[in-house]
Amino acid sequence: NAGVTQTPKFQVLKTGQSMTLQCAQDMNHNSMYWYRQDPGMGLRLIYYSASEGTTDKGEVPNGYNVSRLNKREFSLRLESAAPSQTSVYFCASSDHGGPSYNEQFFGPGTRLTVL
Amino acid sequence: GENVEQHPSTLSVQEGDSAVIKCTYSDSASNYFPWYKQELGKRPQLIIDIRSNVGEKKDQRIAVTLNKTAKHFSLHITETQPEDSAVYFCAASIWYSSASKIIFGSGTRLSIRP
Repeated sequence: NAGVTQTPKFQVLKTGQSMTLQCAQDMNHNSMYWYRQDPGMGLRLIYYSASEGTTDKGEVPNGYNVSRLNKREFSLRLESAAPSQTSVYFCASSDHGGPSYNEQFFGPGTRLTVL
Repeated sequence: GENVEQHPSTLSVQEGDSAVIKCTYSDSASNYFPWYKQELGKRPQLIIDIRSNVGEKKDQRIAVTLNKTAKHFSLHITETQPEDSAVYFCAASIWYSSASKIIFGSGTRLSIRP
């Protein structure tokens, strides 16, 4: 049981390049999330998906797109990377019911640098 | 939308002493308040959470209190140990039958002095 996995772990892009961050979970969770983490800013929600086939904007969606490919996978795409998108990106998943309503299980993160 | 403020941003306590981290939230409809711990270079992990129908919850050395009227909630760590050194995040969310958005505070870096 791998939990939440993310690829790649590290990435360096030039301004204007595009890339897709991949996330997968094997816990049969309905909900998936993308966050970015900047020093002193905590975790900010970019997009989330309540269930397969649905996506919604979070706090900081500009410059990003997402795809909920199936129940397991939720990808984040940067169409034209900018230095302001340099950050650590975390994917998370959660389910409902059980003792913790909405415990978020995080992936290991992707460290992205945009030059 | 929801806004969560957390303080202090850094906290240093002597090993064995207590540590308190405080958060306020803006949306009175928020009903779920988790706390996450993130060790250096690692992913955040849930350490304790509380729902709006409960005023206090304890788990060994960790406790969380919630004041719905004042929209405040706090994390209390007693008998601190070196392994408690980490960044702690509070969060607030409105939980529905489907997914809820969780809004995080900006984090508190806790250091335990030997």
